[in-house]
Amino acid sequence: SQKIEQNSEALNIQEGKTATLTCNYTNYSPAYLQWYRQDPGRGPVFLLLIRENEKEKRKERLKVTFDTTLKQSLFHITASQPADSATYLCALWGGYNKLIFGAGTRLAVHP
Amino acid sequence: EPEVTQTPSHQVTQMGQEVILRCVPISNHLYFYWYRQILGQKVEFLVSFYNNEISEKSEIFDDQFSVERPDGSNFTLKIRSTKLEDSAMYFCASSEVGNSPLHFGNGTRLTVT
Repeated sequence: SQKIEQNSEALNIQEGKTATLTCNYTNYSPAYLQWYRQDPGRGPVFLLLIRENEKEKRKERLKVTFDTTLKQSLFHITASQPADSATYLCALWGGYNKLIFGAGTRLAVHP
Repeated sequence: EPEVTQTPSHQVTQMGQEVILRCVPISNHLYFYWYRQILGQKVEFLVSFYNNEISEKSEIFDDQFSVERPDGSNFTLKIRSTKLEDSAMYFCASSEVGNSPLHFGNGTRLTVT
């Protein structure tokens, strides 16, 4: 069956460091992979989309990589700030019109 | 920036009652979705809707659930006979075209007692 796996344990880092979050998937052949941010009690907010023919995508302090051989995406936040504390969700299209989310990894950035 | 709006923000209902959750997607978007998130769990796909019909639905979306786009702006999720396990946050989302990023509302927290 199709699975999207994200580290369920919270990631605690010091302000200014780089946070790296992992998304692994099985039984998908995605053309795109997306990352979202979710704050407590709020809906997910789209951050970045990376295509299968792109190895890396950047947006300000965010960087996403996509390795279709390893079936893995890495999401990096450089120079992290306490305001970056949130849950980060990886998502893949699991059908014609069906975006499936991983369980998310909670990031806590400490001053 | 345009946004997806959901009402009410919190709905409390008794088991067995019908509820309708309402959403106003972004105006030029063509694809509409409902997701739910039980407290502490993942965001789960319920249903997608395009061109006035359901595109895909999950196993969760059984006969108790229905969706409708009654006019050009609203998109609703109806639960006919609520159960305790329907208690969750329900998110509406829309996208401009297929396979494009989703824009989510801030959800309706449904509590079934």
